[in-house]
Amino acid sequence: KQEVTQIPAALSVPEGENLVLNCSFTDSAIYNLQWFRQDPGKGLTSLLLIQSSQREQTSGRLNASLDKSSGRSTLYIAASQPGDSATYLCAVRPREYGNKLVFGAGTILRVKS
Amino acid sequence: NAGVTQTPKFRILKIGQSMTLQCAQDMNHNYMYWYRQDPGMGLKLIYYSVGAGITDKGEVPNGYNVSRSTTEDFPLRLELAAPSQTSVYFCASSLDIQRAFFGQGTRLTVV
Repeated sequence: KQEVTQIPAALSVPEGENLVLNCSFTDSAIYNLQWFRQDPGKGLTSLLLIQSSQREQTSGRLNASLDKSSGRSTLYIAASQPGDSATYLCAVRPREYGNKLVFGAGTILRVKS
Repeated sequence: NAGVTQTPKFRILKIGQSMTLQCAQDMNHNYMYWYRQDPGMGLKLIYYSVGAGITDKGEVPNGYNVSRSTTEDFPLRLELAAPSQTSVYFCASSLDIQRAFFGQGTRLTVV
């Protein structure tokens, strides 16, 4: 059974700092991995989608990497801003049952001004 | 482009009542999903559908039912509401196994 873990559970950093959020998964047989952002009381916003054949994806100050063989992904946020404060969730789509997404519990990020 | 629309946004139910959470998408996606999110936990899959007329159970289907008569709509039915069903419910859709898009959620309290 695929399991997804996100470390740390919470992170507080000063504005301007570069930071890394981690996501690990137990079964490397995946179609893709998706990073989401969730603001308090809101829905999930898709940030980046990495296909299993890709190593990384970039969008603005965000860069997500994927190391399928080790079962890891990282989300790098450059020059963090208070507006980046949110919960970040990763989800994998396993090859065993590709019509589902398996989520981690998320990392709560607070960027202090 | 509305994306995924969920109604209602908030609801309070009494134990034993029933209700339907509505979900509609306008992206012509074939896959649709219902998840629930409990505090401090990841999202758990309740039901999913890979196309009109096709539905299947996820991890936590007990106490829920779904139907998918059209590509656009995927309602979730709660029968005999219980306090354990207090949660935030999210509907999502995707084109096959590609990027998933989520609605804004329905916050349900059962008292």
